[in-house]
Amino acid sequence: GENVEQHPSTLSVQEGDSAVIKCTYSDSASNYFPWYKQELGKRPQLIIDIRSNVGEKKDQRIAVTLNKTAKHFSLHITETQPEDSAVYFCAASILPGNQFYFGTGTSLTVIP
Amino acid sequence: NAGVTQTPKFRVLKTGQSMTLLCAQDMNHEYMYWYRQDPGMGLRLIHYSVGEGTTAKGEVPDGYNVSRLKKQNFLLGLESAAPSQTSVYFCASSFSGVETQYFGPGTRLLVL
Repeated sequence: GENVEQHPSTLSVQEGDSAVIKCTYSDSASNYFPWYKQELGKRPQLIIDIRSNVGEKKDQRIAVTLNKTAKHFSLHITETQPEDSAVYFCAASILPGNQFYFGTGTSLTVIP
Repeated sequence: NAGVTQTPKFRVLKTGQSMTLLCAQDMNHEYMYWYRQDPGMGLRLIHYSVGEGTTAKGEVPDGYNVSRLKKQNFLLGLESAAPSQTSVYFCASSFSGVETQYFGPGTRLLVL
């Protein structure tokens, strides 16, 4: 099956700086890559996703890039704010399909 | 529109006891999933269902059973709980398997 690796496991940045989280995947057939944000004690919530026919997608301060050749994708958060502090999970999937393979998560702390 | 809900929110079991976790969704989604979340291990798929009356095994199915008698409900059963099943359990659903998954609020289970 698919193997998704996520780095770093923890990340601290100063408020206003950028944060980058990277994931690699093993199955070249994967074609859908969502990112979830999970605040402490809450459910994972989708923040952005990208499909394999697109190289980059942006939504305000959040962007995701995908390199299919290298089989890696990254989450970029610019102008970080304290409310961005959370655990972020990447995932890979082959759609249409049933199974999302999640990374192990990155705990982001934004220091005011 | 409540989205995805889970019952109960928290439960303590003794080793060998049984229990059922209930997931309900009101979004008319075909696909439903059960995950467990453990520290440092991300989200791992236990079982999933692609429609009413269907179930299939995920990545970590041992010790669990599921049923999908109604489209809106997905039940996760533990027949004989073990301490290794101490975890946070998340249910998720998606419309057709070609869209992202939406998560419930989670059930925290402690097995003593």
